[in-house]
Amino acid sequence: SYELTQPPSVSVSPGQTARITCSADALGKQYAYWYQQKPGQAPVLVIYKDSERPSGIPERFSGSSSGTTVTLTISGVQAEDDADYYCQSADISSTYVVFGGGTKLTVL
Amino acid sequence: QVQLQQWGAGLLKPSETLSLTCAVYGGSFTGYYWSWIRQPPGKGLEWIGEINDTGSTNYYPSLKSRVTISVDTSKNQFSLKLTSVTAADTAVYYCARWGLAADGMAVWGQGTTVTVSS
Repeated sequence: SYELTQPPSVSVSPGQTARITCSADALGKQYAYWYQQKPGQAPVLVIYKDSERPSGIPERFSGSSSGTTVTLTISGVQAEDDADYYCQSADISSTYVVFGGGTKLTVL
Repeated sequence: QVQLQQWGAGLLKPSETLSLTCAVYGGSFTGYYWSWIRQPPGKGLEWIGEINDTGSTNYYPSLKSRVTISVDTSKNQFSLKLTSVTAADTAVYYCARWGLAADGMAVWGQGTTVTVSS
């Protein structure tokens, strides 16, 4: 089955820039989406269509795409950004949705 | 502001059928795809499937044989049935709305914890 590959963990100090990658063959042909999830809460969409930011999401969250890899960048990381982040896309035929395994962002 | 409220049985025995319903309040039901996603304890998100207001469905391949998603447009509700559950189906189950212009799942239900245990 189709899989999205994310690093299990990323650690940064407050104020630094965090970058979380997501790789898969169909990325570049399918849009990528990013979700933030804090313990005990439902996920929150932070990036859609590779690089678009929903209203209400801080400007420090941005997304980019290059080839078969998409990247979520959080500039000027704050303590409140400590969370799990999931990328999401679809298979090449757009018949089903798939999530990456998730990345635990730790703000030191 | 659209809200999703979900409910269903939280404790099942192996081989039983999981049944959850998600109601849509404060927004249009028409034109959107409505999804079910689950998250086993301590693990990541897993998409189960989706349905639109016309009843068109898509399912995750590994679950397809056991899943049925249905819609009741008169009540602005959609439902999930998962047959022959095992302990591996223990998870928090979420419903979510897929945006009109492929703009992602921006609206989620509160989640329902389902435990499968004998």
